[in-house]
Amino acid sequence: GAGVSQSPSNKVTEKGKDVELRCDPISGHTALYWYRQRLGQGLEFLIYFQGNSAPDKSGLPSDRFSAERTGESVSTLTIQRTQQEDSAVYLCASSLGAVMYNEQFFGPGTRLTVL
Amino acid sequence: AQSVAQPEDQVNVAEGNPLTVKCTYSVSGNPYLFWYVQYPNRGLQFLLKYITGDNLVKGSYGFEAEFNKSQTSFHLKKPSALVSDSALYFCAVRDLVGGATNKLIFGTGTLLAVQP
Repeated sequence: GAGVSQSPSNKVTEKGKDVELRCDPISGHTALYWYRQRLGQGLEFLIYFQGNSAPDKSGLPSDRFSAERTGESVSTLTIQRTQQEDSAVYLCASSLGAVMYNEQFFGPGTRLTVL
Repeated sequence: AQSVAQPEDQVNVAEGNPLTVKCTYSVSGNPYLFWYVQYPNRGLQFLLKYITGDNLVKGSYGFEAEFNKSQTSFHLKKPSALVSDSALYFCAVRDLVGGATNKLIFGTGTLLAVQP
């Protein structure tokens, strides 16, 4: 596709349930990022994948959060035992390689609501 | 600690007037700075970036930003605002600490409202 795609666009779940969010990066982009955007706040870094290197998980807020990436393609972000404070928009981005000044291209996000 | 500050939650400007959205940063070393725009219910779109060289950077949709090292600022500007420029604007700096991580540190965003 032409841009980063994410699914679902909206997810409503009950507290305690697990959710899985999906990101399809731009073809050829080796770097992939997940961010969280809470209402009225800036973006908060969660995790970063670059090629076959070990991911940088330093932004994951708790062990309920995990993410995987298959090669240089699709990534899934999993939140286990969701809590109300997990409600946010989850944004995925990709960039061309690991060059530090390459801009990141963002998907439209998944709006997660935990009841 | 590295950080980005956007001191204004909202900027109001009349259509046709010049606009400025402020951003200051704090980093160790040379900064890589970015501006993104977020329209309602859409993801972030890249506007422009500063890496090195000319302090005035030109980007998409007629926007430009001026890098000022002495003031550690990277303000976003446009000579003549359009109603369609109304959106949420984020300033970001590349995290240069922590090895090869290329994560961005974002400001809290500034809502730009352009009145017709």
